Amino acid sequence: EVQLVESGGGLVQPGGSLRLSCAASGFTFSSYEMNWVRQAPGKGLEWVSFISITSTTIYYADSVKGRFTISRDNAKNSLFLQMNSLRAEDTAVYYCARGDGGMGNDFDYWGQGTLVTVSS
Amino acid sequence: DIQMTQSPSSLSASVGDRVTITCQANQDINNYLNWYQQKPGKAPKLLIYGASNLETGVPSRFSGSGSGTDFTFTISSLHPEDIATYYCQQYDHFPYTFGQGTKLEIK
Repeated sequence: EVQLVESGGGLVQPGGSLRLSCAASGFTFSSYEMNWVRQAPGKGLEWVSFISITSTTIYYADSVKGRFTISRDNAKNSLFLQMNSLRAEDTAVYYCARGDGGMGNDFDYWGQGTLVTVSS
Repeated sequence: DIQMTQSPSSLSASVGDRVTITCQANQDINNYLNWYQQKPGKAPKLLIYGASNLETGVPSRFSGSGSGTDFTFTISSLHPEDIATYYCQQYDHFPYTFGQGTKLEIK
């Protein structure tokens, strides 16, 4: 059974940092692109970042570019999101999502999400 | 960035009704469009990929169509468990973008 389990969320002050993790199991992690998608409270979905199988191709939403860094460890079946210079508008549930399709574009499995709250 | 506009933003329908949601892109995205269902407090679920392909295990009452800039998502006969918010998502270009969502309620 495919499972994605996020962790690392919590309350952080504006300007602070957090590192999210996503532990994958039940599939060959090293064969799939991965994504982070977030959802602010009561709002819609926002794609955040993409990483290719070998980490050679990475994309970010403009809203997080220069502040967030996506990475993965295929040996440990793990995906990460390092979030720096956090802002109130980064408050959201963060989901990791497996990417199927040619460019990891079909988010076919999702984690349960981890809540990040940026507030003083 | 490619903008995705869904309509309506909310919809009330009765069990057994045919329900249709539209999604419009502000530029041609071929058929690079997915549809997701999200129930309250849960992660989204992929229903339709490539505009019209049903994800494995998804009931056949769900369908999608369209190409270019205009897309349609249909539930042929509404079931009570279909109450959710539905999102379209384009993947023609990064950044991947979602529509604003359509909240479906039972009348």
